[in-house]
Amino acid sequence: DQQVKQNSPSLSVQEGRISILNCDYTNSMFDYFLWYKKYPAEGPTFLISISSIKDKNEDGRFTVFLNKSAKHLSLHIVPSQPGDSAVYFCAASTRGSQGNLIFGKGTKLSVKP
Amino acid sequence: SAVISQKPSRDICQRGTSLTIQCQVDSQVTMMFWYRQQPGQSLTLIATANQGSEATYESGFVIDKFPISRPNLTFSTLTVSNMSPEDSSIYLCSVDRSAQETQYFGPGTRLLVL
Repeated sequence: DQQVKQNSPSLSVQEGRISILNCDYTNSMFDYFLWYKKYPAEGPTFLISISSIKDKNEDGRFTVFLNKSAKHLSLHIVPSQPGDSAVYFCAASTRGSQGNLIFGKGTKLSVKP
Repeated sequence: SAVISQKPSRDICQRGTSLTIQCQVDSQVTMMFWYRQQPGQSLTLIATANQGSEATYESGFVIDKFPISRPNLTFSTLTVSNMSPEDSSIYLCSVDRSAQETQYFGPGTRLLVL
């Protein structure tokens, strides 16, 4: 049973527009959420995180929104750039960053020039 | 961030053999983890590598199959023992920097078992 779900395996966006990647979770004990980006033949690269006590965290072009009641989080990338094309993983933990990170299966983002 | 290297970067192995994967970090870290990503699947935690004591394994993973060493605060190894084709995966180590509240991942080791 998947505790973290990314229901869209792929997403295509035009350069300059907004990319919205979605993630749903089932475990209400999760208290920390992270987004990673992964290029082929590389390990995941940390992008942004959010604690369950917040509903929004922003870092440059990247913003993560958390809706605890809906058990849903999303990553917004504005404006999208071709270099953002990668697989994006959502991850969650019950013990902050020191816990076992439970990952979704990822969403492949393609940003077209 | 942390600079993490893994060796080997990839390997092709025969069924029944074992492979040891090394993970080196550029600075001391408290916690190191080993994950596996099977084809088309998400990353799954195998175990937490504890310095000076036995690793802590997640459900479904056992020490006999995935022995782990952590001799110091910058290095760990994961051995995949008695391999079968089902062990074909990407194996990744990660480290935790509590002050930065994230886990950083190495580049991964791509293993194919024939």
